[in-house]
Amino acid sequence: NAGVTQTPKFRILKIGQSMTLQCTQDMNHNYMYWYRQDPGMGLKLIYYSVGAGITDKGEVPNGYNVSRSTTEDFPLRLELAAPSQTSVYFCASSYYSFRDQGGPGNQPQHFGDGTRLSIL
Amino acid sequence: GIQVEQSPPDLILQEGANSTLRCNFSDSVNNLQWFHQNPWGQLINLFYIPSGTKQNGRLSATTVATERYSLLYISSSQTTDSGVYFCAVVRGRQLTFGSGTQLTVLP
Repeated sequence: NAGVTQTPKFRILKIGQSMTLQCTQDMNHNYMYWYRQDPGMGLKLIYYSVGAGITDKGEVPNGYNVSRSTTEDFPLRLELAAPSQTSVYFCASSYYSFRDQGGPGNQPQHFGDGTRLSIL
Repeated sequence: GIQVEQSPPDLILQEGANSTLRCNFSDSVNNLQWFHQNPWGQLINLFYIPSGTKQNGRLSATTVATERYSLLYISSSQTTDSGVYFCAVVRGRQLTFGSGTQLTVLP
């Protein structure tokens, strides 16, 4: 298993450009997440998905869009890149079954290696 | 939302020393995870610990959920332990991270 794979690893954008960060997982996880990590800070949740066709906002969703057409893929789109979106972006996945006690947050999240994005 | 505070923010140790990192959280949580972010930026799961104590080699973690804190112990530190240690608390479907402890282990 490759786990969670993110592409690209690095990217430089100009202000106003758009791009899509790719994330795919091969663990058949139903939950997927996008986080951003600013310098010296912890990760903040942008969007998450509980299954194909279902997405929801996290703590910092403004300026981003997501879609989940398959179980494996969860792309993150920046439509009009702004300098404030310079960050490292992490994708994660986890598995939850209704049989799991304690709710979906009780399963560990597995992270990709991140995408370092600079907007100039 | 829930607040997660980690201390100390920075820690410098000599190789072989022991250390304790602390994570305080402001509300009840479903679970808690400890991560190590290595110098290459990769996030590595260390512990998944809603309560009690777990050990994995030189590392151990204790969570006292009723008092809203968790501790990560590193014994006989090695230079490869350097990096940032994050705790993250679980409420519902979301994981909320603290701002981390930057650990530097000197040879």
